[in-house]
Amino acid sequence: DADVTQTPRNRITKTGKRIMLECSQTKGHDRMYWYRQDPGLGLRLIYYSFDVKDINKGEISDGYSVSRQAQAKFSLSLESAIPNQTALYFCATSAHSNEQFFGPGTRLTVL
Amino acid sequence: KQEVTQIPAALSVPEGENLVLNCSFTDSAIYNLQWFRQDPGKGLTSLLLIQSSQREQTSGRLNASLDKSSGRSTLYIAASQPGDSATYLCAGPRNQGGKLIFGQGTELSVKP
Repeated sequence: DADVTQTPRNRITKTGKRIMLECSQTKGHDRMYWYRQDPGLGLRLIYYSFDVKDINKGEISDGYSVSRQAQAKFSLSLESAIPNQTALYFCATSAHSNEQFFGPGTRLTVL
Repeated sequence: KQEVTQIPAALSVPEGENLVLNCSFTDSAIYNLQWFRQDPGKGLTSLLLIQSSQREQTSGRLNASLDKSSGRSTLYIAASQPGDSATYLCAGPRNQGGKLIFGQGTELSVKP
């Protein structure tokens, strides 16, 4: 079984809808991250969490929110989706060594 | 602002060739460095992590080095194979516990 899982893997939605992307990990890591990847822009950090009570904004947090429900779960919400949030979204985890392990990604399309 | 440059952006080589991918940081302050592989539409797979106290790491046909004084890293792939075709990304934080800063990647194609 994969160490970092993401659901859904693909999602098509309409402008204005609320969307939640979920991430679970079995690696026992404290730290979890959400990134988005866009062609030509690379990977950009949205939010990160160093433990259950810790939430931090990344470089592009506007329009997104997160919830760290447990050590193993970190969800990303788009409160009102817009077309420029169409992207590939990745969850990642790390321990204190900084080595990050990524999930398989969620392809989100906002029409 | 820390930026990461990966050269070349794309590379095509015949099978069996040895090759080097480059990664450099505009601000040479880099704590450690991680190399990833990404297949099209897929997640990132961690290949090698060079820890703060290390200068290089090896895994099979891969060897990565880090020169912190110049803010440069190289990934050496020996005896390339078509299965090595993918995009390779480097990333590192400026300090311990810091956020990873990613390069744009090098797209590698190994022709049979």
